[in-house]
Amino acid sequence: DVKVTQSSRYLVKRTGEKVFLECVQDMDHENMFWYRQDPGLGLRLIYFSYDVKMKEKGDIPEGYSVSREKKERFSLILESASTNQTSMYLCASSHGQEETQYFGPGTRLLVL
Amino acid sequence: GQQLNQSPQSMFIQEGEDVSMNCTSSSIFNTWLWYKQDPGEGPVLLIALYKAGELTSNGRLTAQFGITRKDSFLNISASIPSDVGIYFCAGQYTGAGSYQLTFGKGTKLSVIP
Repeated sequence: DVKVTQSSRYLVKRTGEKVFLECVQDMDHENMFWYRQDPGLGLRLIYFSYDVKMKEKGDIPEGYSVSREKKERFSLILESASTNQTSMYLCASSHGQEETQYFGPGTRLLVL
Repeated sequence: GQQLNQSPQSMFIQEGEDVSMNCTSSSIFNTWLWYKQDPGEGPVLLIALYKAGELTSNGRLTAQFGITRKDSFLNISASIPSDVGIYFCAGQYTGAGSYQLTFGKGTKLSVIP
């Protein structure tokens, strides 16, 4: 079974803090993705990566950055958290040219 | 980016009833995927469709890839309480990068025992 894990299920941070969300997959997948999920808006792609040290902007990259130093790990960084970044964050991975993405359990972030 | 229209947004049904939901797109899609998300969890893949006209079943779930390649439906037969959750369609459209999916906004299913 594909396993995608996220470092925290719940996080509470203050405005202006730097926030790191970690994602690890154990299936040697090349592609990794970060989404945020908000009521009524569905899943929106923030950033993705198709190889180590590679990254591409998704639909809503503003206010975020990412790091992919190792194939199995993809980190999402909020440089200075703001209240409008309160959301559910989902990490996913996929293999090579395959479309099917496998999701982690999500991190629910609250920014006060 | 591309948009998928998923309907209905929510459904309340009686246990034992059948359920149908669908997604449509203005663009041709190469692949359709259906996911289910339990409350507080990440989406889990239910069914993947790769060819126009393809009809695939997974237990009580049946999904079809529309012949025009612009739509897909998911049916759930004889619903049970554990079917509760949000169902998402997702697709990869012609011209997208190989790695990206477009998601519908989800259908929230509630099952009344």
